[in-house]
Amino acid sequence: DAGITQSPRHKVTETGTPVTLRCHQTENHRYMYWYRQDPGHGLRLIHYSYGVKDTDKGEVSDGYSVSRSKTEDFLLTLESATSSQTSVYFCAISELGIPTEQYFGPGTRLTVT
Amino acid sequence: RKEVEQDPGPFNVPEGATVAFNCTYSNSASQSFFWYRQDCRKEPKLLMSVYSSGNEDGRFTAQLNRASQYISLLIRDSKLSDSATYLCVVPASGGSYIPTFGRGTSLIVHP
Repeated sequence: DAGITQSPRHKVTETGTPVTLRCHQTENHRYMYWYRQDPGHGLRLIHYSYGVKDTDKGEVSDGYSVSRSKTEDFLLTLESATSSQTSVYFCAISELGIPTEQYFGPGTRLTVT
Repeated sequence: RKEVEQDPGPFNVPEGATVAFNCTYSNSASQSFFWYRQDCRKEPKLLMSVYSSGNEDGRFTAQLNRASQYISLLIRDSKLSDSATYLCVVPASGGSYIPTFGRGTSLIVHP
């Protein structure tokens, strides 16, 4: 299995609070991605990174920001969490840019009350 | 047509059966496709890549039909452990590099 960890694995937070999710990889892959998965939807890309300090928006980026200061870490921040951001968040990595095989972390289950 | 469509199922089959799922896509320029397997409350895991006419790996065969714009996944001799949701992934259209995941097809293999 690819060396990808996510923290925290579960989080419950209140509306309006900031939340940061962390993705850490040990594969030295250049590309990293944040997705959310909700019932009735496929995985949807939030943001992705194609190198240190290089990021771009995905399909559902409103309300989210990201940062990548090191190859191995990709942070996802919800500046002011809303109930609509209750979801399961997956980080993924790939050696090459899309379209290519991606490897996913175990996910973070976030509940915003 | 939506960018990627999958029959959500569930497909309920006995052990040993052969089962096939389709995934239709709208971007006729797509060159590569992927099938992922996702177990309940787990992360998706890459099952197969489909870059040209098809791909085979043991009991699993993925095929691409460019004329009708769909990919298929065939599972032979189904095992209980094949029970999962199968996601297809298609590169997005319009030159975007945002991949589009299907909503998945649920497979239940029973004794």
